[in-house]
Amino acid sequence: AQSVTQPDIHITVSEGASLELRCNYSYGATPYLFWYVQSPGQGLQLLLKYFSGDTLVQGIKGFEAEFKRSQSSFNLRKPSVHWSDAAEYFCAVGSKGGNKLTFGTGTQLKVEL
Amino acid sequence: NAGVTQTPKFRILKIGQSMTLQCTQDMNHNYMYWYRQDPGMGLKLIYYSVGAGITDKGEVPNGYNVSRSTTEDFPLRLELAAPSQTSVYFCASRLDRGQDTQYFGPGTRLTVL
Repeated sequence: AQSVTQPDIHITVSEGASLELRCNYSYGATPYLFWYVQSPGQGLQLLLKYFSGDTLVQGIKGFEAEFKRSQSSFNLRKPSVHWSDAAEYFCAVGSKGGNKLTFGTGTQLKVEL
Repeated sequence: NAGVTQTPKFRILKIGQSMTLQCTQDMNHNYMYWYRQDPGMGLKLIYYSVGAGITDKGEVPNGYNVSRSTTEDFPLRLELAAPSQTSVYFCASRLDRGQDTQYFGPGTRLTVL
């Protein structure tokens, strides 16, 4: 069975500091990996995705993520956090063409000014 | 394009009442999904559809029904509301089997008292 673990429920960073959100997955085949962001009262917005190829993927809003197969990880990073990045972040795993996206429980990011 | 729209945004139901959550997308996507999001949990798939007239169960279908009479619309029906169905419901769509990104609506917050 596929699963996603986001070990950090809450993270607080200062504006301008760097950020890394952790995501570990369990999946039997080649995973398709996603990071979504959910602002308060909003739906989920896709930040970036990894299907194949270069293991470092760039997304919107200055985010990037690195796929590490040996560690079953897909951590999200940003060099300098902005106050508007405060939101909840979800990692998800699925299969090519599949209908089942498995989500992690999310990481709530707070940004201190 | 409006993308994926959901109505209503909020609703309070009494135990045993029924209601339909509406979902419409204007992107001509074939695949549509219903998820529920409970506090501290990731999204769980309720039902999905791969095209008009075709629906299938997800992880947590009990207590819900769906239909897909058109490409654009994918309503979710609660027949006998129970407190366990208090949740935030998200609808999502995806173009087709070859395109793996799901696009989410803003959600419906449902409380059953």
